[in-house]
Amino acid sequence: DTAVSQTPKYLVTQMGNDKSIKCEQNLGHDTMYWYKQDSKKFLKIMFSYNNKELIINETVPNRFSPKSPDKAHLNLHINSLELGDSAVYFCASSTRRLNTGELFFGEGSRLTVL
Amino acid sequence: EDQVTQSPEALRLQEGESSSLNCSYTVSGLRGLFWYRQDPGKGPEFLFTLYSAGEEKEKERLKATLTKKESFLHITAPKPEDSATYLCAVHPYNTDKLIFGTGTRLQVFP
Repeated sequence: DTAVSQTPKYLVTQMGNDKSIKCEQNLGHDTMYWYKQDSKKFLKIMFSYNNKELIINETVPNRFSPKSPDKAHLNLHINSLELGDSAVYFCASSTRRLNTGELFFGEGSRLTVL
Repeated sequence: EDQVTQSPEALRLQEGESSSLNCSYTVSGLRGLFWYRQDPGKGPEFLFTLYSAGEEKEKERLKATLTKKESFLHITAPKPEDSATYLCAVHPYNTDKLIFGTGTRLQVFP
């Protein structure tokens, strides 16, 4: 039974297109995150929601828009895709505002922009 | 600025050859330091949390230690299944996010 699941696992698309990635967690956690991992394996936080409220919004182009319909779901929509958006995007969840420090990650969504 | 640096970038070991991975950090105040393991095509998986200098945690062939400036992940008599990228992350006091290093890619050969 997957704890944090994200779909799709792979996306290949053309520059200028719009795409969405969905994430769901069944751990009962209050806080969810989107991380971006580049080709050098560097994991950088993009957004975090606590109980549907946006609490972290890093310096990310406004082409990226997260949406949290409820505390178990966090989706990421990307408009007007650019080559530099190619990366692996990870969804993660944690207990309330990371108070135990442990993140549970999904398996990642590899986005390739051509 | 809060920062995490891991070394070496890559490490090749023979099965049974013990070694250590380093994580150096600069942070205004440390709430915790974390080690994660990441297998190819998978998300990072939590290994350890360390909260204060002098603390040590162990799990099978892995032992994590913490000082005020760095953490070490010691691997004793590694096996090929220990091959993975090991990520270190810090949780500063003034934020709700983890700051990750770029990881050490470990390969253990039989």
